Amino acid sequence: SAVISQKPSRDICQRGTSLTIQCQVDSQVTMMFWYRQQPGQSLTLIATANQGSEATYESGFVIDKFPISRPNLTFSTLTVSNMSPEDSSIYLCSVKDSGDYNEQFFGPGTRLTVL
Amino acid sequence: EDQVTQSPEALRLQEGESSSLNCSYTVSGLRGLFWYRQDPGKGPEFLFTLYSAGEEKEKERLKATLTKKESFLHITAPKPEDSATYLCAVPHSNSGYALNFGKGTSLLVTP
Repeated sequence: SAVISQKPSRDICQRGTSLTIQCQVDSQVTMMFWYRQQPGQSLTLIATANQGSEATYESGFVIDKFPISRPNLTFSTLTVSNMSPEDSSIYLCSVKDSGDYNEQFFGPGTRLTVL
Repeated sequence: EDQVTQSPEALRLQEGESSSLNCSYTVSGLRGLFWYRQDPGKGPEFLFTLYSAGEEKEKERLKATLTKKESFLHITAPKPEDSATYLCAVPHSNSGYALNFGKGTSLLVTP
């Protein structure tokens, strides 16, 4: 399975600022996703990061708040913009490789605290 | 809307005390049911995928089974290192390959 790293692993930010989270994969993958896990909750899909085109966002998430880039098949970034305390969460990227099966593998997550 | 419901929310077992976790789902045309383990402060770790009713998969003390409406994760003679949150998921209805997760079962195994 792919090895996924995320940077930063954690951060504490001030209200109104922005943070960019990086996701790096050790091999080319067909699909990359970004999830949010709020305290004590399960994972919620933010968007699918599409290589070479705009990300596809789920209901409740918009590009102005969560801009996503995916310049190639091994790298993606998620920016959390104009942050508020409600954005305090763990942000996770996941990948599906090019195999026939639908298994996804997750990065270690970025723990964000907004003060 | 596709739904995934896990029970119980939390489970405390003594070491060696076997039990089962439940994941019920309402999905039209199941394209896989996924089990993950999540340790505190870490991303989910993939355990199993089940594709059809009657299918079973095993890994060490864990066995996952699937029916047309639910899946069970059986834990046989658990050890303290099995303590974690266990998540089940089905393919997301809007994004074909993303996952829709249940809320998880938090398992604590005491010595």
